[in-house]
Amino acid sequence: GIQVEQSPPDLILQEGANSTLRCNFSDSVNNLQWFHQNPWGQLINLFYIPSGTKQNGRLSATTVATERYSLLYISSSQTTDSGVYFCAANTGNQFYFGTGTSLTVIP
Amino acid sequence: ETGVTQTPRHLVMGMTNKKSLKCEQHLGHNAMYWYKQSAKKPLELMFVYNFKEQTENNSVPSRFSPECPNSSHLFLHLHTLQPEDSALYLCASSRSDEDVSYEQYFGPGTRLTVT
Repeated sequence: GIQVEQSPPDLILQEGANSTLRCNFSDSVNNLQWFHQNPWGQLINLFYIPSGTKQNGRLSATTVATERYSLLYISSSQTTDSGVYFCAANTGNQFYFGTGTSLTVIP
Repeated sequence: ETGVTQTPRHLVMGMTNKKSLKCEQHLGHNAMYWYKQSAKKPLELMFVYNFKEQTENNSVPSRFSPECPNSSHLFLHLHTLQPEDSALYLCASSRSDEDVSYEQYFGPGTRLTVT
């Protein structure tokens, strides 16, 4: 199967700071998703981004499929951004999740 | 609210019990998935159903038995579990063509504790 690696594994930010999370995948994929998992375990869809760039408020994502990576940008971070961020790569019926980036935003 | 519901939200069971987890999606999708998330670990895909047919079984022990009666409902039947099976069990759904699955939506999960 595909290997999905995320970096950094842990990140602590001061409120208002910007950050970039990275997701590398080992082979060609059909699509790529970013999720935010809240403290209660719910996975919240952030981006469905097989390629290109998308923006949603303070968040944006870029996937460069030919180079097998995706980036998630968080600007002007808020304490509510805390949690674990996962990327997931799809081929066929399989979805491969990365190990996540645990983000803590402190006031 | 993602359009995917799961019940129960919490479950404590002994190793000799039999219980079932239920998932329902209201998104008109044709594919449904069970995932296991153990503490401090990434999500592991367990089973995939596409149009009610099981298309993937990722070497899951037989004490986990899935059932998909229609494209909107998915069950996970549990029997003689082990303490290491304690985890968050997540259900998801998506639209799926022959070779591609599209955006997944997740339910809130069932937090299972095996005593």
